[in-house]
Amino acid sequence: DIQMTQSPSAMSASVGDRVTITCRASQGIYNSLAWFQQKPGTVPKRLIYTASSLQSGVPSRFSGSASGTEFTLTISSLQPEDFATYYCLQYDSYPWTFGQGTKVEI
Amino acid sequence: EVQLVQSGPEVKKPGESLRISCKVSGYRITNNWISWVRQTPGKGLEWMGMIDPSDSHTKYGPSFQGHVTMLSDKSSSTAHLQWSSLKPSDTAMYYCARHSVGFDFWGQGTLVTVSS
Repeated sequence: DIQMTQSPSAMSASVGDRVTITCRASQGIYNSLAWFQQKPGTVPKRLIYTASSLQSGVPSRFSGSASGTEFTLTISSLQPEDFATYYCLQYDSYPWTFGQGTKVEI
Repeated sequence: EVQLVQSGPEVKKPGESLRISCKVSGYRITNNWISWVRQTPGKGLEWMGMIDPSDSHTKYGPSFQGHVTMLSDKSSSTAHLQWSSLKPSDTAMYYCARHSVGFDFWGQGTLVTVSS
């Protein structure tokens, strides 16, 4: 199975901060990676797919990038509504696997 | 408008059987695979497996193989997840999700509680 190591598991940030979350895959997954945002009591929402494609309707402050087996989600300027938990998902090989999640807190 | 609407919360005892559902609308169910995802407080999101509603072909995650069954019914545009014998460790929120470069649409989730 492909392991997705996500870091950090939690972080404190302030409005306006630049936030970076990383997922490292245990083997190559091409760009078959998506990022999701989940707020308490709600359904995960896709932000990014194929590593760097922005989901329609998602603010442009969110971006994704890839370098080998390392994938990054960047929030350029954190907004109050961005405090949430973020997950990566690799969909290159079965079983599909999620990262452990990153909780972004004030 | 694409929607995946799941059945309501369930409270069951260990050893009981259960089937939960995911009814899709706004697209043809046979056009996309559907996955099931489990969420527990301690383990985050876990991919359980997927079903191709066009032919009911399935792939299961190793942790779920043999413990759950995924089904689909083209006539009612519904996917199902079922257990023949629940365990307390099956207590979780379960989501269905449509495949499109990962998942693009999710159901609202079904909370399953297994307790004696």
